[in-house]
Amino acid sequence: GEQVEQLPSILRVQEGSSASINCTYENSASNYFPWYKQEPGENPKLIIDIRSNMERKQTQGLIVLLDKKAKRFSLHITDTQPGDSAMYFCAASASSGSWQLIFGSGTQLTVMP
Amino acid sequence: ETAVFQTPNYHVTQVGNEVSFNCKQTLGHDTMYWYKQDSKKLLKIMFSYNNKQLIVNETVPRRFSPQSSDKAHLNLRIKSVEPEDSAVYLCASSSSLGGRSAETLYFGSGTRLTVL
Repeated sequence: GEQVEQLPSILRVQEGSSASINCTYENSASNYFPWYKQEPGENPKLIIDIRSNMERKQTQGLIVLLDKKAKRFSLHITDTQPGDSAMYFCAASASSGSWQLIFGSGTQLTVMP
Repeated sequence: ETAVFQTPNYHVTQVGNEVSFNCKQTLGHDTMYWYKQDSKKLLKIMFSYNNKQLIVNETVPRRFSPQSSDKAHLNLRIKSVEPEDSAVYLCASSSSLGGRSAETLYFGSGTRLTVL
């Protein structure tokens, strides 16, 4: 089946620095790319998303970039804080016209004070 | 309060037993899902259900079956649990917009299943 590759699986950064997570997808028809944050014992929650008609989106210290040619998208967290420590998942729609999402394998981000 | 509600939060059972998990969404969405999250935190879709159309991930064993009475409810039944079924089962919902595009998933709090 379709896959979404996510790297790195573990990421440790110093407080105040930026963190970047990269994902690649297989289906060129995918058109929706959300990012979810999951804190320990909690459910995944949407933090930002981007659609295929955009290359860049920014909100509250989060930046997502989409390179459709390379089938690659990324999340950048600027000025990280300890509260950003969590599991992050990228996802891509299974194919254009489909409501299903395929998730990456997750990145465990730890922000060290 | 509008959200996705799952019960129970935890369930411990023995191999071979049957279990059922409930999920209800009050978001007015038309599509519901079951995801399995294993000990490595991998999120794997098991089922999606939209307008009485069930889409099954072909890797899901037959002992798993979804049950829906209406678009706000999607329960999960496991006929005879195996040790490898130990995981967190996450229910989610979204609005399919007529199937034109994927939309934001809203997850429930999950049911943690432990099979002894």
